[in-house]
Amino acid sequence: DIQMTQSPSSVSASVGDRVTITCRASQGTSSWLAWYQQKPGKAPKLLIYAASSLQSGVPSRFSGSGSGTDFTLTISSLQPEDFATYYCQQAYSFPITFGQGTRLEIK
Amino acid sequence: QVQLVESGGGLVKPGGSLRLSCAASGFTFSDYYMSWIRQAPGKGLEWVSYISSSGRTIHYADSVKGRFTISRDDAKNSLYLQMNSLRAEDTAVYYCARDHYSSSYDFDSWGPGTLVTVSS
Repeated sequence: DIQMTQSPSSVSASVGDRVTITCRASQGTSSWLAWYQQKPGKAPKLLIYAASSLQSGVPSRFSGSGSGTDFTLTISSLQPEDFATYYCQQAYSFPITFGQGTRLEIK
Repeated sequence: QVQLVESGGGLVKPGGSLRLSCAASGFTFSDYYMSWIRQAPGKGLEWVSYISSSGRTIHYADSVKGRFTISRDDAKNSLYLQMNSLRAEDTAVYYCARDHYSSSYDFDSWGPGTLVTVSS
């Protein structure tokens, strides 16, 4: 199984800050990597697919990069609605696996 | 618009069974691969099972293999998860999710989830 490790596990930031979350896969996943945002009590929302493609309707302040084993999600200028938990997910092979999540909190 | 709505969750005793349903609307259900994904209280996301659009290809997480069965009824635009021999560690919110595009294995639409609690 491919293990997905996110860092940091939590981060505090302010509105307007630039934030980067990293995700490392235990083996290569090419560009088969997705990022999700989840708010409390809600289902996850797809933000980025294929490592760097922005899902329709997602603000352009979100971006993804990377390939192989190392990936990043960047939020260029945090907005109040961005405070949530973020998960990466490898879509390369079964079993599909998720990172443990990164909680983005207001400083 | 795309809508997925799960049902069938509830409280069940260890060793018991439950059948979850997911009603789909707003898209051509038969064209899409579908998955079940769960989230234990206060924990992260865990993929559970996947079924192809034809129903011929199915995958399960090791944690549920032999106990859970995924199926679909395209005539009813519905996805199902039969859960047998339930354990306390199966307690979670269960989401059905649609593949972003054919065999992309990422998920662009999710239901609101249904809570399954396994407890005596």
